[in-house]
Amino acid sequence: QSVLTQPPSVSGAPGQRVTISCTGSSSNIGAGYDVHWYQQLPGTAPKLLIYDNNNRPSGVPDRFSGSKSGTSASLAITGLQAEDEADYHCHTYDSSLSGWVFGGGTKLTV
Amino acid sequence: EVQLVQSGAEVKKPGESLRISCEGSGYTFTTYWIGWVRQMPGKGLEWMGIIYPGDSDTRYSPSFQGQVTISADKSISTAYLQWSSLKASDTAMYYCARVSREGPVAASANYWGQGTLVIVSS
Repeated sequence: QSVLTQPPSVSGAPGQRVTISCTGSSSNIGAGYDVHWYQQLPGTAPKLLIYDNNNRPSGVPDRFSGSKSGTSASLAITGLQAEDEADYHCHTYDSSLSGWVFGGGTKLTV
Repeated sequence: EVQLVQSGAEVKKPGESLRISCEGSGYTFTTYWIGWVRQMPGKGLEWMGIIYPGDSDTRYSPSFQGQVTISADKSISTAYLQWSSLKASDTAMYYCARVSREGPVAASANYWGQGTLVIVSS
């Protein structure tokens, strides 16, 4: 069981908007640690998608955005495209573990 | 260009030992934490542990403490993950990943190795 909770799957039609939630606790997201999101295409390594809650690395389309509030964070994807079909993972730091924690991952079907 | 290059796939028998590697290049190896992440077939990412190659400060997830050893050789810019006695349940893809900023563990991982597939089967 992952420390961060994500829905196992979400789906949406091309052009639609979807959101993926990531729920933590007072020792990680609620403690103020930044949340990061990764996109993992089938058979490939994870790729950083959103860092520090709501920042996009160079080259990531502005269709992807992140937010954080309290003990939760969310990833939003607008204008869904077939190429967005992938697994999405949230990540932060946990003070009780003195290390990283991940969500269980969410499979997006377009 | 920053790169993390991992060693190749391994097929081992239960009880055997194994060490896989992650070689960093294109940056100052000693000043960025490198983490190890397990991904079992069809599952999510699990943090195993993290090392600061500059002084080999190492932290382990409670789930993996005592099960694996993480080390680094800064003279050859390489981090390692090793097992002394593999189990079938260690079958997984293993990734190394570098934090995005010098100093803090609590940062995103913006560079990942390509992954090392470990299969443990009798």
